Formats: sequence, structure tokens, C-alpha cells
Amino acid sequence: GAVVSQHPSRVICKSGTSVKIECRSLDFQATTMFWYRQFPKQSLMLMATSNEGSKATYEQGVEKDKFLINHASLTLSTLTVTSAHPEDSSFYICSARDPWGTTGETQYFGPGTRLLVL
Amino acid sequence: GENVEQHPSTLSVQEGDSAVIKCTYSDSASNYFPWYKQELGKRPQLIIDIRSNVGEKKDQRIAVTLNKTAKHFSLHITETQPEDSAVYFCAASSGGGADGLTFGKGTHLIIQP
Repeated sequence: GAVVSQHPSRVICKSGTSVKIECRSLDFQATTMFWYRQFPKQSLMLMATSNEGSKATYEQGVEKDKFLINHASLTLSTLTVTSAHPEDSSFYICSARDPWGTTGETQYFGPGTRLLVL
Repeated sequence: GENVEQHPSTLSVQEGDSAVIKCTYSDSASNYFPWYKQELGKRPQLIIDIRSNVGEKKDQRIAVTLNKTAKHFSLHITETQPEDSAVYFCAASSGGGADGLTFGKGTHLIIQP
């Protein structure tokens, strides 16, 4: 149980375009999802917390107008990187919390989306 | 905000020996401490976690200890095997997991055959 999927797994886009990444909880309802970014050989950095039906909470230094997050249902959150630039190239990973799971605190991670902006 | 320090950055041990990875945190409000294993290009996978009301937790070859007073927690892997080779991350959060995780910088564990 507790499977999280992401789509696409990798994407290449031109500078200035927008890219949408989907995160889905497949076998549970996630009231809270999280978006992280991981640069090569570095740690995961929390970007924002996504709550179903309300606005996302962004970490300090993360531009909310650049990284648009929508959590329209209990199983889907989307991250849109707007006007992407080469420095946005990274590994974007979502996680979802199952509040009714055996451990309500556990975050289950998606497989990640590798973004390359040319 | 929370700051998590992790040491060492690289750890090489002989197969069968034990490995210990240590983390410290700064926010006394943090109450949930998971450990994740990440293989190259893959998602982080939870291997064990501990809450602030518990001092130690064990699951087969893996154990975690927590010292709230000193604000540090450690991962112990016994009888290491080649498949234990990966990057291990410690993390901390407050709010019982309702908040996002603050990760340490990671430890590259290498198991020498």
C-alpha cells in the first residue's frame, strides 16, 4: 500500500516554457502533499506544502508565482514550473502523507521527475 | 527554521561490520525523525522512523536512537550487506509529520565485499 506516482518521469523543455508535473496517491487519500527539489548529489529541499482545497504554503526563498501548486483533489497535486530557465533543471519529488495509515506521519515519496531546461 | 546536520558524508565499511550515521537537529519542537535510503536516480524509501516520545526503535538489522536533550539521533545498521550500499538521509519535522521534512545532507554508505 501507500503508493505515490509522478508524471512525467523526465521532461526536456526550452527556456521560457512552462512544465506541469503531476503527483498522485494511488491507494490512499492524501490531505497533504509536499514538493521537494533535489540537485545532483545534494539533499532534498522542501519547496512547498500542498493542502487539498487550500493555497499551498511555500518555503522561504521559493517563488510562489514561479512554482504554481494546485491540490484540487485528495489524490492529485500538480506543480507547474512557469517560464522555466536552465537553473530550474533539477529532480522534483513529491511526497504524500496518509493520515489514516498505520503511522499518520509517514511521507511516501513519488519516483521523481527529472527536469532539464535547455 | 530547523537545521539538520548529518555525519559522515561518506562511510565505507567491510561487509558484515556495523555502520553508524549521526544527525543533530536544532529545533526543539521537532518530534518526528525518519531515515530514508535512496539509490541512484530512485525515490527515497523510508527504512525506519522514531518519534520524540521514544528513545530507541529497532527493526531487524536497523535501529535508531534518539537523545532529545542533546538533540541528536543516530542510525545503526548491523551485519551490513552489499545491498545496503546507498545514500542515507536523516530528516526531522514538527507537527507530528504534518509539516514537511528538513533533510540532512546525506551519507554515502559503501559496503566493501
